[in-house]
Amino acid sequence: DVKVTQSSRYLVKRTGEKVFLECVQDMDHENMFWYRQDPGLGLRLIYFSYDVKMKEKGDIPEGYSVSREKKERFSLILESASTNQTSMYLCASSLRGGNQPQHFGDGTRLSIL
Amino acid sequence: GQSLEQPSEVTAVEGAIVQINCTYQTSGFYGLSWYQQHDGGAPTFLSYNALDGLEETGRFSSFLSRSDSYGYLLLQELQMKDSASYFCAVRDKGGATNKLIFGTGTLLAVQP
Repeated sequence: DVKVTQSSRYLVKRTGEKVFLECVQDMDHENMFWYRQDPGLGLRLIYFSYDVKMKEKGDIPEGYSVSREKKERFSLILESASTNQTSMYLCASSLRGGNQPQHFGDGTRLSIL
Repeated sequence: GQSLEQPSEVTAVEGAIVQINCTYQTSGFYGLSWYQQHDGGAPTFLSYNALDGLEETGRFSSFLSRSDSYGYLLLQELQMKDSASYFCAVRDKGGATNKLIFGTGTLLAVQP
């Protein structure tokens, strides 16, 4: 079974802090994704990566950056956290290929105070 | 713009059949996926349709009509454990990418 592990289930940070969310997958997947999930808005793609050190912007990249130094790890960085970044953050991974399913982690519920 | 529309809530009784519709308007279309998410859990993959027609996997089936920009998820013999949110998602780019655009989700409540 694919295992996608997000470092924290719940996280509370203060406005202006730099926040790191970590995601690790154990199935040698090429693709990794970061989403945020808000009520009534579904899942929105922030960034994705199709290889080590490669990244592409998703639909809502503003205020975020990512890092993929190793194949199994994909980090989401909030450069200067703001209250409107309070959300559920979901990481996913998949094999390369258009029909490949994405496998999700359990999510990190981030609160910015 | 890109948009996917699905009902926000559906209610059905145990043992019944329910259909969750999804209409999409995207710049490109290469496939329609369905994901299930239980409250507090991770989304899990259910199905993927790239071509028109019906795909069946056990109690769940998924249908696609590309000419109508429309698909649906059909759940048969509903069980209480099927209570969850269901998301349709469009793959809008070709090639090797499986980047998806997700709908806003349908909350299915199964009643005894």
